[in-house]
Amino acid sequence: EADIYQTPRYLVIGTGKKITLECSQTMGHDKMYWYQQDPGMELHLIHYSYGVNSTEKGDLSSESTVSRIRTEHFPLTLESARPSHTSQYLCACRGLGEGTDTQYFGPGTRLTVL
Amino acid sequence: KNQVEQSPQSLIILEGKNCTLQCNYTVSPFSNLRWYKQDTGRGPVSLTIMTFSENTKSNGRYTATLDADTKQSSLHITASQLSDSASYICVVSDRGSTLGRLYFGRGTQLTVWP
Repeated sequence: EADIYQTPRYLVIGTGKKITLECSQTMGHDKMYWYQQDPGMELHLIHYSYGVNSTEKGDLSSESTVSRIRTEHFPLTLESARPSHTSQYLCACRGLGEGTDTQYFGPGTRLTVL
Repeated sequence: KNQVEQSPQSLIILEGKNCTLQCNYTVSPFSNLRWYKQDTGRGPVSLTIMTFSENTKSNGRYTATLDADTKQSSLHITASQLSDSASYICVVSDRGSTLGRLYFGRGTQLTVWP
């Protein structure tokens, strides 16, 4: 079944650690996105990719980096985690579905940096 | 400035009651508007999508309306259930055919009590 996956679902880590949040999709969509969402707030776009070897920064400045070596895989990396990085991170892919433009979200990774 | 505003910010209703959530937008040019349901700790899931020419669309107990002239949309939930407790997010796209930019509202947090 075509879907979008994120791991881990929850991560608690100490300051200064390097972390990678995984995102993979089996929908075959070229466009993928990373959003950051704090409780009760709107989603903020931090990175997006329109295909392999294509990555762009989003509207919200982020110290994280992304890579897109394969169509189905869009990992996000924080070289040195800080408490200010504590948030929920949502990955999404986008393409034509239900007859029109549709964005599909993964379940999210809730990151807590102590 | 393109914006999406949702009201109310939060809402508590009793099981079995109906409710209506509002979304006002200033996004231009308008392509489509989508309502998402986001359960706590999960990624958003699409409920309905409406294009410029559509006034109303239903998905089970969810009915969305769109007034493109006044740039307003509503999501009506009929005979609410406990499982309807979630955040409902309004998302507007500015160019559908070329997968234009998405603008997110902050969401309405709905709580259904037994």
